[in-house]
Amino acid sequence: DTAVSQTPKYLVTQMGNDKSIKCEQNLGHDTMYWYKQDSKKFLKIMFSYNNKELIINETVPNRFSPKSPDKAHLNLHINSLELGDSAVYFCASSRLAGALGTDTQYFGPGTRLTVL
Amino acid sequence: AQSVAQPEDQVNVAEGNPLTVKCTYSVSGNPYLFWYVQYPNRGLQFLLKYITGDNLVKGSYGFEAEFNKSQTSFHLKKPSALVSDSALYFCAVRTSKDSNYQLIWGAGTKLIIKP
Repeated sequence: DTAVSQTPKYLVTQMGNDKSIKCEQNLGHDTMYWYKQDSKKFLKIMFSYNNKELIINETVPNRFSPKSPDKAHLNLHINSLELGDSAVYFCASSRLAGALGTDTQYFGPGTRLTVL
Repeated sequence: AQSVAQPEDQVNVAEGNPLTVKCTYSVSGNPYLFWYVQYPNRGLQFLLKYITGDNLVKGSYGFEAEFNKSQTSFHLKKPSALVSDSALYFCAVRTSKDSNYQLIWGAGTKLIIKP
């Protein structure tokens, strides 16, 4: 059973379009995350979210928005896609964002977004 | 500012030899240290973590890491490398003083194991 899953695995779209990436975790975790990995493999946290608090990386454009219909899902919506948005996007989850910061994050397989 | 450094972009090791992937950190407060591995076109997989206690931490696939507080390091090691260990390795740190508890990531080290 897949612990953290993402769909789609690949996403190719035109500039200016709006797209969504879905993420689901079956680990019973309370906190979910979105990361962006660029072409140089650098990982950048975009959001962390639990049912109480959304923490946004201030460098993320407001074209990106996380939406969580329930504790097991955190979708990423991207409006007006730009060439620079091309990257691999990873979803992750952990038990609690707090808990003294010791909890392990578990990652999904990634979504490779290509903006043409 | 809090940071993690992986000083080597790439490490080359012959199969069967011991391997070390280096990680140093700079944080305020107690560090919580993590190693992840990323195989090509895959997500990140958790290998091991140090929270407290024994400085030598054992993890998945025969990997271990040693926490050295005085040198602010958390190097990843394996006694005998396998070709299948070839991957991208990330070190990450979180601190007890960061209320957001977000991980700070190193840039990654590409490990190449040659037969």
